[in-house]
Amino acid sequence: GIQVEQSPPDLILQEGANSTLRCNFSDSVNNLQWFHQNPWGQLINLFYIPSGTKQNGRLSATTVATERYSLLYISSSQTTDSGVYFCAVERSFGNEKLTFGTGTRLTIIP
Amino acid sequence: GAGVSQSPSNKVTEKGKDVELRCDPISGHTALYWYRQSLGQGLEFLIYFQGNSAPDKSGLPSDRFSAERTGGSVSTLTIQRTQQEDSAVYLCASSLAGGHAGELFFGEGSRLTVL
Repeated sequence: GIQVEQSPPDLILQEGANSTLRCNFSDSVNNLQWFHQNPWGQLINLFYIPSGTKQNGRLSATTVATERYSLLYISSSQTTDSGVYFCAVERSFGNEKLTFGTGTRLTIIP
Repeated sequence: GAGVSQSPSNKVTEKGKDVELRCDPISGHTALYWYRQSLGQGLEFLIYFQGNSAPDKSGLPSDRFSAERTGGSVSTLTIQRTQQEDSAVYLCASSLAGGHAGELFFGEGSRLTVL
């Protein structure tokens, strides 16, 4: 199956700092999503981004499908940004399910 | 409904008992997914439904696990003769698209603890 690797596995930052989270995948994809899992376990959709760049407030994401990676940018971090960030991909040609990476655990210190 | 609804939110059971977990997807979503998340781990795919049929059951860990979906809506995941290693959060997601996964929306999960 497709391999999804996220880096770094853990990140601790001071409030106000910026960060970049990376997702590498091993095969061509037609679907890529970024999720934030908050401390209560709820998975929140951040971006549906199989290609290109999107921005939503302090968050933005870029997927370069031809080079098999995606980046999630968080600017001016807040303590509410803490949690685990997951990248999930669907392999092209009819796989029809999302395969999740192992996540990046982000901790924002006040 | 407005979002994906799962019940129960928490279930504590004794080893060897059967449990049923329920998922009510977003209205109009044809695709429904079950995932499992063990403590501190990523999400493990279990099964996928398109309408009432399950094209991909490849993630079910053993024959003690089964799932069904009726009326193209509600799905039930059943675990028979539960074992301690079944303890996890079981997450359900739905999506509008057919033919590929589309954008998935998750429920809040059912936390299962097997004593």
